[in-house]
This record gives sequence, C-alpha cells and structure tokens, in this order.
Amino acid sequence: DGGITQSPKYLFRKEGQNVTLSCEQNLNHDAMYWYRQDPGQGLRLIYYSQIVNDFQKGDIAEGYSVSREKKESFPLTVTSAQKNPTAFYLCASSLGRWELFFGEGSRLTVL
Amino acid sequence: GQQVMQIPQYQHVQEGEDFTTYCNSSTTLSNIQWYKQRPGGHPVFLIQLVKSGEVKKQKRLTFQFGEAKKNSSLHITATQTTDVGTYFCAGPSADSWGKLQFGAGTQVVVTP
Repeated sequence: DGGITQSPKYLFRKEGQNVTLSCEQNLNHDAMYWYRQDPGQGLRLIYYSQIVNDFQKGDIAEGYSVSREKKESFPLTVTSAQKNPTAFYLCASSLGRWELFFGEGSRLTVL
Repeated sequence: GQQVMQIPQYQHVQEGEDFTTYCNSSTTLSNIQWYKQRPGGHPVFLIQLVKSGEVKKQKRLTFQFGEAKKNSSLHITATQTTDVGTYFCAGPSADSWGKLQFGAGTQVVVTP
C-alpha cells in the first residue's frame, strides 16, 4: 500500500541533543513538507521541498534542518538550537496540486 | 502577512444537531482545502474548493467557498459521534508557491 511512513512514533530527548525524524513516502510525490503541531494549535510549516536536492524554509525553520537527497525521503533534524522542541511533528507529501497526504506523526518530548 | 482564521475554536454539539464552522483568509485564495484530524491522529484531506461560490457535499458535510474566495464554511448536519475531531481549513500562501497556510482549527466535541 502506498503511503507515508514516519519514525519513530515517540521519541524522548535530553536537552542539548540533536534528533532526526525519518519520513519516507512511496507515493511518487514530488513535494514533501514538515509541520509542527502544538496542543490546541494549527499546523506550522517548518521546511518544504518541491524537488530532490532543493528545499525552502517555512515559517518556523530556526533550530531545524532537512535534506532531500532522494525523492522518497525527507528527514528532519531537530537541533539543540531549537528552544522548545517538544511537539507533534507531521510529515506530508503532495503531487503539487495541493492535496496533502500526512504521515502518522512523531511525538518528540524533551526531558 | 497572510492569515487564515477559523471560528469557533471549540464547538460542543449535541448528537443529532447541526453546526457550522467558518474559515476566513486575509487574502484572496486560489483554492481552499479542508482536513479532519481525529484525536491522537493525523490530518486527513476532506475536500478542495476552487471556484467562486462553489458548494460541495460529502454525505452530511457541506462545504462552501465564498464568492470573493476569501472565506469558506463547513456545515455538518445531524452530528454523529464519528464527527469528533479538529477540522482545519488551509489555503495556498500568497507569498510563496508550495506553502499551505493552515487555520488553527475548530475542535468539535459531540455529546451523545
């Protein structure tokens, strides 16, 4: 079945550590996105990529980094520079006509 | 910058009742999308509206895009417990192709 796979589902991190969240899709979609969701809030865009080897900052890119070396993969690194990283992270992909397909999300908790 | 606002933020509904949630953009949108996120889940695409004044129905859900393409509404009739969740509207960002601007969502709670 086609879809988006995010891992891990739950992640605990100590302050000062970098962590990488995985996002893989087999939908053959060109565009991929990372969103952050905090309780009771909407989705805020961190980074997005419309094509392999290219990506753009979203609204809250500070403290995050991404890569897009393969069409299927768009990993997100939450660096120690991110002041408040505890959140629900959602990866999504689209064919470019705007309908987003989301993964099940990764819940990051900083201890 | 562009803003997408949704009202109400919370909606408590008695099972069987109707309700409407509204989405307003500070700029004209080329299209608007609606997503539903169940508690503990991820957003799932519901529908996309493109034309001015467009109305689309999905069973008990009716979606409308305003004439000026700056607002939209979702109306649910005869609410059921399966309608529980948060409904988000989203529109393309005015300043950058590829960005979708989400509203804060309407959280719907259904009382049996």
